[in-house]
Amino acid sequence: AQSVTQLGSHVSVSEGALVLLRCNYSSSVPPYLFWYVQYPNQGLQLLLKYTSAATLVKGINGFEAEFKKSETSFHLTKPSAHMSDAAEYFCAVSEGGDSRLTFGEGTQLTVNP
Amino acid sequence: KAGVTQTPRYLIKTRGQQVTLSCSPISGHRSVSWYQQTPGQGLQFLFEYFSETQRNKGNFPGRFSGRQFSNSRSEMNVSTLELGDSALYLCASSPDRGPHTGELFFGEGSRLTVL
Repeated sequence: AQSVTQLGSHVSVSEGALVLLRCNYSSSVPPYLFWYVQYPNQGLQLLLKYTSAATLVKGINGFEAEFKKSETSFHLTKPSAHMSDAAEYFCAVSEGGDSRLTFGEGTQLTVNP
Repeated sequence: KAGVTQTPRYLIKTRGQQVTLSCSPISGHRSVSWYQQTPGQGLQFLFEYFSETQRNKGNFPGRFSGRQFSNSRSEMNVSTLELGDSALYLCASSPDRGPHTGELFFGEGSRLTVL
């Protein structure tokens, strides 16, 4: 069965600092991996997606994630945090190429001025 | 293109009642999925419909049901409501499988409170 673990339910950074949100997955088959973001009182929005084409995936709003099979990780990074990045971020995995996603617990990102 | 539309956005019910939530997907999207979001359990998959057929089902009791119409609009129903059903119910649509697998477009959700 597939699963996702996000390390750190809350992450706080200063504006302009590096953002690093950690995600580890478990999957019995080559996974599809995703990062979604949720702003208050809104649904989720896809940031980026890994489907084995390239290990470094670039997404929207300056975010990127690197797939490391040996570490079963898919950490999300952004070189310089902006106040508008404050939101909850979810890592998700899909097995077998279907649209049923298993989500991590989420990481609340706070950006301090 | 209009996004995923969910109605109602907020509703309050009492235990034992039933509720129906509606979802209109993005035009051209034939797959509709439903997720339940709660502080304790996080985001959990309920079911997925494609071309009026349920393709996948999560681990929820039979009180939770859904359907999809020929225009891809979907409804989910929860009968005999329990306090623990209080949650944000999110609908997501996606293009067919293939290169866009897993690319879900979420609505803003229907927030259900059960008293």
